[in-house]
Amino acid sequence: GENVEQHPSTLSVQEGDSAVIKCTYSDSASNYFPWYKQELGKRPQLIIDIRSNVGEKKDQRIAVTLNKTAKHFSLHITETQPEDSAVYFCAATSNRDDKIIFGKGTRLHILP
Amino acid sequence: DVKVTQSSRYLVKRTGEKVFLECVQDMDHENMFWYRQDPGLGLRLIYFSYDVKMKEKGDIPEGYSVSREKKERFSLILESASTNQTSMYLCASSTPGGRRYEQYFGPGTRLTVT
Repeated sequence: GENVEQHPSTLSVQEGDSAVIKCTYSDSASNYFPWYKQELGKRPQLIIDIRSNVGEKKDQRIAVTLNKTAKHFSLHITETQPEDSAVYFCAATSNRDDKIIFGKGTRLHILP
Repeated sequence: DVKVTQSSRYLVKRTGEKVFLECVQDMDHENMFWYRQDPGLGLRLIYFSYDVKMKEKGDIPEGYSVSREKKERFSLILESASTNQTSMYLCASSTPGGRRYEQYFGPGTRLTVT
């Protein structure tokens, strides 16, 4: 089955700098890669996703890149702000079923 | 706006008790999921359901069962609670159609087994 590895587990970034979180997956059939953000005490929410027919997707300060050959994808947050502090989960799934396999999460701290 | 609710935010049970966690979604979603969330382990899938009365095991089904008698409701059952089932439990549902994979999460139930 699919296995998703996520790094780093914790990341501290100065406010205004960029943050990058990286994930790898094992199943070449995976074709959909969402990212979820979970603020403290709240539920995870989808912030951006990418499908396998696209190499990059941007939404304001957030971007996701996908390298299908290497089976890795990354989340990039530019001009970080205090409200970006949260746990971020990457995930992967395929057309086989609607199961989403999550990475273990990255706790992002934005330092003032 | 999609709404996924869970029956309790906090629950304390004793070892050996039977525990029911309920999840209700109001958007006619076909898919529903139960996860547990533990520090350093992320979100691990316990069970999921594609339709009424259908269920499939996730990655960690041992010690759990589920029930889906109605489309909007998905219950997680701990037959005999143990201390290693102390965790945060999150329910989710997903949309059919074009954005079928996006999962909408409930607020979570923090279960403590003593």
